[in-house]
Amino acid sequence: ELKVEQNPLFLSMQEGKNYTIYCNYSTTSDRLYWYRQDPGKSLESLFVLLSNGAVKQEGRLMASLDTKARLSTLHITAAVHDLSATYFCAVDRYGETSGSRLTFGEGTQLTVNP
Amino acid sequence: DSGVTQTPKHLITATGQRVTLRCSPRSGDLSVYWYQQSLDQGLQFLIHYYNGEERAKGNILERFSAQQFPDLHSELNLSSLELGDSALYFCASSPRSLPSGYTFGSGTRLTVV
Repeated sequence: ELKVEQNPLFLSMQEGKNYTIYCNYSTTSDRLYWYRQDPGKSLESLFVLLSNGAVKQEGRLMASLDTKARLSTLHITAAVHDLSATYFCAVDRYGETSGSRLTFGEGTQLTVNP
Repeated sequence: DSGVTQTPKHLITATGQRVTLRCSPRSGDLSVYWYQQSLDQGLQFLIHYYNGEERAKGNILERFSAQQFPDLHSELNLSSLELGDSALYFCASSPRSLPSGYTFGSGTRLTVV
């Protein structure tokens, strides 16, 4: 059974600081996703990582994937209050006849304080 | 607006009742997925439909069922509701059975009292 673990689960940081969220998964996967969720809202897609060594950046967020270590990281640079949200990583496994499904981590609740 | 439409946005019902949640996928998307988000279980995959056919099943209770209609909209039916079924139910869609990405709807918040 595929398991996805994130750490930390709660992160309180000051504006301007850097931090990294880690996502480990237990078996090989096809794609790794990072999502952002504001309280009571939908899941907003941030990054899709397809292959080993993939790195993607958008604004103050950068995601990377190491398929050999089964590890993805979401690095936050110079955090601002607007980044406060819950961040999920999710791993995709699919097959032509077995369909598709995302397995999510527990989520990291990020609070950026002034 | 993501293009994935879920109705209703909120639903309050009593234990033992039955409800139907509706999802219209993004235009052109053939796959629909249902997920449940609760405080104790987190985000869990329920079921995947592709062009009207069930393709994958997750931790979906026997009291729950789903279908995808010829116009590609999908319904998730929840029956004999229990307090523990209270959750946010998300629908997502993708263009194909082998997705290049998922687009999530805004969710239906179900409260069972």
